[in-house]
Amino acid sequence: NAGVTQTPKFRVLKTGQSMTLLCAQDMNHEYMYWYRQDPGMGLRLIHYSVGEGTTAKGEVPDGYNVSRLKKQNFLLGLESAAPSQTSVYFCASSYNHPPGNSPLHFGNGTRLTVT
Amino acid sequence: LAKTTQPISMDSYEGQEVNITCSHNNIATNDYITWYQQFPSQGPRFIIQGYKTKVTNEVASLFIPADRKSSTLSLPRVSLSDTAVYYCLVGDTMDSSYKLIFGSGTRLLVRP
Repeated sequence: NAGVTQTPKFRVLKTGQSMTLLCAQDMNHEYMYWYRQDPGMGLRLIHYSVGEGTTAKGEVPDGYNVSRLKKQNFLLGLESAAPSQTSVYFCASSYNHPPGNSPLHFGNGTRLTVT
Repeated sequence: LAKTTQPISMDSYEGQEVNITCSHNNIATNDYITWYQQFPSQGPRFIIQGYKTKVTNEVASLFIPADRKSSTLSLPRVSLSDTAVYYCLVGDTMDSSYKLIFGSGTRLLVRP
C-alpha cells in the first residue's frame, strides 16, 4: 500500500532550468494538493485539484503550473526555476475536501535546490 | 488573509501531559479542525480531527470550546518519540477561493 508517492526525492537545478515534480496516489482520492515548506514558514499551499482535469490556485501559486490529466497523478511544473523556489515540496491527497472529516495524506517530499 | 496561531515551541519531559492550543477566529460553520504531526524529512501525518466538544483516540484528545475559535491538542504522557512539529488545519473563510491554511506549527521537544 504505497499511499502518496513523490518523485524525485532530491533535485538540484540551475536558475532558469525547468522541471516537473510527479505525485502519484493509489487511494482513488479526488482531491490533490501541492505544498511547499520553508524554514520558519510552515506549509503553504501552491495549487490544488478537486478532480481529474481541474486545478486551482492556492496561497503561493506564482512561478508554478500544475496538471491533473489522470485522477491518480498531480504534476507540479517549474518553467524557469529561481533561487526563491528552493524548498521542500509536499504532495497530499484526500478523499473529500478537508478539513471536513477528510484528512490529508502526505508524501515524503521532494527537496529542491535552485542555484 | 486569516491564519491560525500556535505557540512556536514547547518543551516537556517524558511522562508529562502536553497541551497545544491553536487559535482560528474565522473558522467556517462546517469546518472541522484537524491536527497533524511531522517528523524531520517526512510529510505530515494525521493525528486527530474534531468539530466540537471533545474527541479522543488512541494517541491524543482534542478539546474544542463552544465558540470553536480555538482548539487544544492534548498528548497524554509524552515520550521522546513525540518530539515533532504539530500543525492545526482549518479552512479559511476570509478568502472565497477556500484556501486551506496550516498553522505555523508548534515544535515540541520532549526531554528525558
